[in-house]
Amino acid sequence: NAGVTQTPKFRVLKTGQSMTLLCAQDMNHEYMYWYRQDPGMGLRLIHYSVGEGTTAKGEVPDGYNVSRLKKQNFLLGLESAAPSQTSVYFCASSPANEQFFGPGTRLTVL
Amino acid sequence: GNSVTQMEGPVTLSEEAFLTINCTYTATGYPSLFWYVQYPGEGLQLLLKATKADDKGSNKGFEATYRKETTSFHLEKGSVQVSDSAVYFCALIRPGAGSYQLTFGKGTKLSVIP
Repeated sequence: NAGVTQTPKFRVLKTGQSMTLLCAQDMNHEYMYWYRQDPGMGLRLIHYSVGEGTTAKGEVPDGYNVSRLKKQNFLLGLESAAPSQTSVYFCASSPANEQFFGPGTRLTVL
Repeated sequence: GNSVTQMEGPVTLSEEAFLTINCTYTATGYPSLFWYVQYPGEGLQLLLKATKADDKGSNKGFEATYRKETTSFHLEKGSVQVSDSAVYFCALIRPGAGSYQLTFGKGTKLSVIP
């Protein structure tokens, strides 16, 4: 099992550009999450999903959209990137009371 | 609301020293408590967990006991190694939260020197 994978690993965007981050899990987990990690801030929840076809807002959802069309995939979109979205993004999946994390995507917005 | 407070770092220890990283929480009911570890350049890995009061989680020589009376879940290790250098996050899942959302502390960076 690959566990939780994230694509891409690194990306540099210009302000105003759009992109999609892909998270995939092969553990048949119902729950999936997107976090961002910034220095001194810990991890903050952006959006999450409790099952295929469902999404919900987390703590810091502004500027992001998500979709969960297939159970194994959870996509995070930035429609118009801003420098404040420079961060490391982590995806996680969960069967219930434990979360499994991907390796992260380092995004820089110039 | 729910919150997790952990000691600020960075913490620098010599190899074989004793480690304590303090973690306290605020939550309604009886949350599940976790310690995650993040090695340089990697994602988070679950280190240990406890789901009810007085439970002790342990893994790789690390331990933490769920103390309901002091709302604490301090991480300890008797003898640290250079390979333990990482960032440690305390976290909780609020009971009854159907989404099983984690609330994290801000992390404590540990550096162990030979």
